[in-house]
Amino acid sequence: GNSVTQMEGPVTLSEEAFLTINCTYTATGYPSLFWYVQYPGEGLQLLLKATKADDKGSNKGFEATYRKETTSFHLEKGSVQVSDSAVYFCALSMDSNYQLIWGAGTKLIIKP
Amino acid sequence: NAGVTQTPKFQVLKTGQSMTLQCAQDMNHEYMSWYRQDPGMGLRLIHYSVGAGITDQGEVPNGYNVSRSTTEDFPLRLLSAAPSQTSVYFCASSYGGAPNEQFFGPGTRLTVL
Repeated sequence: GNSVTQMEGPVTLSEEAFLTINCTYTATGYPSLFWYVQYPGEGLQLLLKATKADDKGSNKGFEATYRKETTSFHLEKGSVQVSDSAVYFCALSMDSNYQLIWGAGTKLIIKP
Repeated sequence: NAGVTQTPKFQVLKTGQSMTLQCAQDMNHEYMSWYRQDPGMGLRLIHYSVGAGITDQGEVPNGYNVSRSTTEDFPLRLLSAAPSQTSVYFCASSYGGAPNEQFFGPGTRLTVL
């Protein structure tokens, strides 16, 4: 079946460090891919998305490229801030199905 | 637009009590869903609906009921609360097309004693 695997957390970085959170997927067909972010005490919100191979989603300095050949959608940011501390979820959806398939989430901690 | 709203924000129940978690959206979305989030376990789908009058079970439906009488509302009912239902509950909606971008409510933190 379809699935999403994320790197385990927590990931702890210093401010201004480079961030990568790995996400790989298994899917029959061509999914849309998403990164959601959950700040402490809040609901999830969409961070970025990509709907086809080689698409790059970007928002708030974060980027992720849909790599069909490696079935990956890694999240990157060049210089993280304390305010980026949150839990990040990778997810996929298939056109034929309303449901999202979720990764387990990766907690990111940024220290000043 | 208020987006997706949930009430209450916090609730404490005793074992065996029943209650309804409310969810409403004002975006005319077809698809609505309920998740629970437990520490270290990510999001698990409880029930979902693809339109008014249509509901279906997700990954962890036991102990919960839903109904969808209108496009806007999708309440989640706990029939007889158990400590295992202590969790944070999120409601989400989407327009149902592709890509299926979901919009989340702020969550309800439920404690069952």
